Amino acid sequence: NAGVTQTPKFQVLKTGQSMTLQCAQDMNHEYMSWYRQDPGMGLRLIHYSVGAGITDQGEVPNGYNVSRSTTEDFPLRLLSAAPSQTSVYFCASTPYRVGSPLHFGNGTRLTVT
Amino acid sequence: AQSVSQHNHHVILSEAASLELGCNYSYGGTVNLFWYVQYPGQHLQLLLKYFSGDPLVKGIKGFEAEFIKSKFSFNLRKPSVQWSDTAEYFCAVNAQDNDMRFGAGTRLTVKP
Repeated sequence: NAGVTQTPKFQVLKTGQSMTLQCAQDMNHEYMSWYRQDPGMGLRLIHYSVGAGITDQGEVPNGYNVSRSTTEDFPLRLLSAAPSQTSVYFCASTPYRVGSPLHFGNGTRLTVT
Repeated sequence: AQSVSQHNHHVILSEAASLELGCNYSYGGTVNLFWYVQYPGQHLQLLLKYFSGDPLVKGIKGFEAEFIKSKFSFNLRKPSVQWSDTAEYFCAVNAQDNDMRFGAGTRLTVKP
């Protein structure tokens, strides 16, 4: 099993550019989420989805969009990149929103200049 | 909303020393508690979890954690650390109708 697959691994953007971080899972998990990891702040939830067609905001949603057209895929879109979005982004999935551990992808390191 | 506090930002130990990392959460209801580990350059992996029952839970690689409900704590312990335990450790809380929330993390450095 591939588990949770994220692409790309590294990305450099200029301020104002847009891009999409891809996330796919092959475990048929209903719940998927995006976190950003910043030094000293742990992981903060950006957006999540409890199933295809359903998405909602987390703690830090501003500047990001998501969609969930299939169970497998949960892309994260940066609409107009800002230096404050420089971070490491992790996608995660799990069968249920509550009571099951998250399975993480390998992360995307994004730098916005 | 639930929140998680990890008391130590960076812990440095010598091999064979005992480890205890503190974790406190704020939520009055039933919680599910987790510890994750992130080795350098890798993604987070589950170390152990507590849902209910015996408050002392054992995880992989000799780690254990104790849930003390009265103190809202879920501290991670290991009797004797190894150089390979060098990593960042995250405590996380997942309560009813709430997504998983993480503490700020504790970086552990084990000197050989």
